[in-house]
Amino acid sequence: DQQVKQNSPSLSVQEGRISILNCDYTNSMFDYFLWYKKYPAEGPTFLISISSIKDKNEDGRFTVFLNKSAKHLSLHIVPSQPGDSAVYFCAAGGRGSSNTGKLIFGQGTTLQVKP
Amino acid sequence: GAGVSQSPSNKVTEKGKDVELRCDPISGHTALYWYRQSLGQGLEFLIYFQGNSAPDKSGLPSDRFSAERTGGSVSTLTIQRTQQEDSAVYLCASSYRQGSTEAFFGQGTRLTVV
Repeated sequence: DQQVKQNSPSLSVQEGRISILNCDYTNSMFDYFLWYKKYPAEGPTFLISISSIKDKNEDGRFTVFLNKSAKHLSLHIVPSQPGDSAVYFCAAGGRGSSNTGKLIFGQGTTLQVKP
Repeated sequence: GAGVSQSPSNKVTEKGKDVELRCDPISGHTALYWYRQSLGQGLEFLIYFQGNSAPDKSGLPSDRFSAERTGGSVSTLTIQRTQQEDSAVYLCASSYRQGSTEAFFGQGTRLTVV
């Protein structure tokens, strides 16, 4: 049962353009969401998060959008840079009594930004 | 140290042997997670410790896998009678508390079962 899904295994964009990474979830008890970036041979590093009470959170070039009714979130990177090339994971967690608070990750999307 | 530390960074073991993987979380972090990433796969949840609560073991793939967290700090993931399908990168993460605070990951332990 894949509760967090990233249906696009890879994405390629040109430097300077927008990168849009998508994530869908099935568990309505999730109430916070995070994006992580992972380079080869390194652990994932936190990028940006959003609480379910918001529909948008922005940090520099990174913006996360949350559509609760569609159970969908997306990460926008603009402008994309070659250094953004990495695997991006979305993650979800819930603080309700029915959830222990563990983070569930998607399968990841490999982003390649071409110079 | 300032970050999550995992040891060893690489481990090659023979099929059937037991292995122990260690995680030193960030000091003061009450939550600790174990995940694994098999080749070409996403991050698979294994086990989650939160303070003094009973751990969430729902992700452990078989009874060959176990983990403990001593004194609310260091954690050890043990895999008994390793199989080739156990080969993966095992990642540990910690966070300050349950909730929206992000989890910080270690570099991982690459386990190869031959």
